[in-house]
Amino acid sequence: GEDVEQSLFLSVREGDSSVINCTYTDSSSTYLYWYKQEPGAGLQLLTYIFSNMDMKQDQRLTVLLNKKDKHLSLRIADTQTGDSAIYFCAEIFSGGYNKLIFGAGTRLAVHP
Amino acid sequence: DVKVTQSSRYLVKRTGEKVFLECVQDMDHENMFWYRQDPGLGLRLIYFSYDVKMKEKGDIPEGYSVSREKKERFSLILESASTNQTSMYLCASSLGDRAGELFFGEGSRLTVL
Repeated sequence: GEDVEQSLFLSVREGDSSVINCTYTDSSSTYLYWYKQEPGAGLQLLTYIFSNMDMKQDQRLTVLLNKKDKHLSLRIADTQTGDSAIYFCAEIFSGGYNKLIFGAGTRLAVHP
Repeated sequence: DVKVTQSSRYLVKRTGEKVFLECVQDMDHENMFWYRQDPGLGLRLIYFSYDVKMKEKGDIPEGYSVSREKKERFSLILESASTNQTSMYLCASSLGDRAGELFFGEGSRLTVL
């Protein structure tokens, strides 16, 4: 079946790196995504990675993909208070219509 | 600026009432989705639509229906609201060939008493 798992909470000190981890089940997923939800808002697409890539870097964000272990991670360098949000991992489920399967979300708390 | 607009940010309804949640997008997207978001459960797909007048059940369609009469508008209907439908409802849209790149509305928080 389709399932995406991630830990629910992460606390980091301002200026440190944050690493949010995710595991997924559909090995045929072509793309994997990270979404960010700030308080009181809808989700916004942060970044995504194609399944034939191992790594993607975009400014302070680094996405690592281990396809063998079906493990995805999001690293935020120099974490700031504005990074406090819920981060959702998602995979495209390829059975039938393409649809996104979301994890439960990791709440990132950044403290001084 | 591209936008997905949900008609109500907060609603309070009574058990048994009929509830309409409206969503409008201005990006000419083919795909539209309704999710509900509950703490610890993430987002669960209720219904989606890939074209006008077309709808497909998601993972938790029971107790809900949808309507898509125009491309830009996707409505979620609770025929008879129940307390277990108290939740945050999120509408999203995407281009036809980019199903994973969703644009979300700000959400509608529904409380059923």
